[in-house]
Amino acid sequence: DAGITQSPRHKVTETGTPVTLRCHQTENHRYMYWYRQDPGHGLRLIHYSYGVKDTDKGEVSDGYSVSRSKTEDFLLTLESATSSQTSVYFCAISATLPTGGKNIQYFGAGTRLSVL
Amino acid sequence: DQQVKQNSPSLSVQEGRISILNCDYTNSMFDYFLWYKKYPAEGPTFLISISSIKDKNEDGRFTVFLNKSAKHLSLHIVPSQPGDSAVYFCAASEGDDKIIFGKGTRLHILP
Repeated sequence: DAGITQSPRHKVTETGTPVTLRCHQTENHRYMYWYRQDPGHGLRLIHYSYGVKDTDKGEVSDGYSVSRSKTEDFLLTLESATSSQTSVYFCAISATLPTGGKNIQYFGAGTRLSVL
Repeated sequence: DQQVKQNSPSLSVQEGRISILNCDYTNSMFDYFLWYKKYPAEGPTFLISISSIKDKNEDGRFTVFLNKSAKHLSLHIVPSQPGDSAVYFCAASEGDDKIIFGKGTRLHILP
């Protein structure tokens, strides 16, 4: 699992409340990513980070912000949650395969978020 | 505009037969292609990949074929087993550390 832990695993919240999801990795990987997975849309990149305090937007970044103050932690914040942000959120890191070659992404187990 | 397309949302295959999952892409700059497998309530896991300089890569029961001229790749699973029932995502990258995923194909292996 490349040492990736997501917390919480499940969360139910109300529209308009702030929500922060945490991704923690133990292997000092430089690149970290946040995706959301929705039926009919597959995996879509929200934001990613290429180092401490270095982040960039992905395909569906509106309504989300991220922070990375330490190598091991990448936080995803919904400033004011909306029902359209009900989804399963996955964190990922980029690392080389044990057999070598190009980097691939390893994913955490996901956070299921329901915004009521 | 989708750069990676999986046009079959689902596929049912008899146990023991071959499963073929297809994927098309539009960006000719993609140079690395991947397949991920996802079980319910788990994160996607890497399955197999192929570089654009190859046309085939094999790993046990799994083989990925790449046809660059057609911008098409396929994943073959032979023989299909019950544990292969999952959602399969096709993905592609163009040299940096960002990967573009397709919408996924749900594979059902029938007993």
